[in-house]
Amino acid sequence: ILNVEQSPQSLHVQEGDSTNFTCSFPSSNFYALHWYRWETAKSPEALFVMTLNGDEKKKGRISATLNTKEGYSYLYIKGSQPEDSATYLCAFDTTDSWGKLQFGAGTQVVVTP
Amino acid sequence: DAGITQSPRHKVTETGTPVTLRCHQTENHRYMYWYRQDPGHGLRLIHYSYGVKDTDKGEVSDGYSVSRSKTEDFLLTLESATSSQTSVYFCAISERGIPEAFFGQGTRLTVV
Repeated sequence: ILNVEQSPQSLHVQEGDSTNFTCSFPSSNFYALHWYRWETAKSPEALFVMTLNGDEKKKGRISATLNTKEGYSYLYIKGSQPEDSATYLCAFDTTDSWGKLQFGAGTQVVVTP
Repeated sequence: DAGITQSPRHKVTETGTPVTLRCHQTENHRYMYWYRQDPGHGLRLIHYSYGVKDTDKGEVSDGYSVSRSKTEDFLLTLESATSSQTSVYFCAISERGIPEAFFGQGTRLTVV
């Protein structure tokens, strides 16, 4: 049973549209929330690591927010492009088992031209 | 890109045979991890290491063993491969003071 849940499991987006998806995690023993971008046959690539409640991070057209009190994080993609097609993984890190990331199953994003 | 190399990248093996996967890093990071990735499960931790000769079990460690005799190498061994161990295996490294973990490119293992 995953303690970290991502929704939706997959989504299809038209090029140019914006989208967002969710990562839910336990609110206890929180240390950090990681977002990774993973393309098949490649290494998962770190997008953001967030540690503070209310954190907002941005990299280009992708941004993320964090609510540690209620245990969720949103990832936003603005003006989706075909190169944004990937699986986006979130991972939860705790104070009592630092580094042993607990991953969600991922949200697969397909951007169609 | 972080210097992490996994070998082999692809392997097909028969049920009951031993298999060893290698993870090699050039970053001198203290912590190393082996994950497996299966559809619907995300990445699940098999074993991890917090230093040379210091290893511990993750959530799906049954049927796997690991060894770390040098900082740069972390080996994952399937003593007797089973079809349920068909998966994509990822190695990762991390270090205190560096927020993110870095991943290798994965090893696709098929047990027939």
